[in-house]
Amino acid sequence: NAGVTQTPKFRILKIGQSMTLQCTQDMNHNYMYWYRQDPGMGLKLIYYSVGAGITDKGEVPNGYNVSRSTTEDFPLRLELAAPSQTSVYFCASSYDGNQPQHFGDGTRLSIL
Amino acid sequence: ELKVEQNPLFLSMQEGKNYTIYCNYSTTSDRLYWYRQDPGKSLESLFVLLSNGAVKQEGRLMASLDTKARLSTLHITAAVHDLSATYFCAVDRSTSGNTPLVFGKGTRLSVIA
Repeated sequence: NAGVTQTPKFRILKIGQSMTLQCTQDMNHNYMYWYRQDPGMGLKLIYYSVGAGITDKGEVPNGYNVSRSTTEDFPLRLELAAPSQTSVYFCASSYDGNQPQHFGDGTRLSIL
Repeated sequence: ELKVEQNPLFLSMQEGKNYTIYCNYSTTSDRLYWYRQDPGKSLESLFVLLSNGAVKQEGRLMASLDTKARLSTLHITAAVHDLSATYFCAVDRSTSGNTPLVFGKGTRLSVIA
């Protein structure tokens, strides 16, 4: 069972570059989420989606964009990368808001 | 704004001892989740607590929820090294389950011989 798959696992970017973090799930989950986790901290929600075509901002959306054209995929785009975006990014999914979230393995992103 | 506070943030305990991690939250909610994260790894769901008085147990871990006190506890019984990890609680802002979770900062547990 693949579950939630994130790519890439590691990436180093230069300031000002852009990139897309990929997330796909094969559990037919309606809800999908993007979090960032800074060292020694909890998770902060960037964006979430309750279904294809629907996205909403979380706590820390600035500098990021998302789209949800299919149930399976929920890519996160960074435009004009900044050092403050150095973090570990986790994608998660759940069937609905009452079910526990299933997390991907994370993408470790450094911006230099 | 929902705030979720865990304490302690760091816990070093001896094998065989018991201890409790606390999760307090600031607004009404009847949905609370506990997750475990091993170093450098992803988060794994441990417990889902969906009503006042809910109690769940798995092995040496037991979680409970008191919605009136806005408090959940994660009790560790006779700790073993394998329980060393960071434990997060997460609270649903709504009573309908339609809003995302707010996570605490986590409790980093280290079990030593």
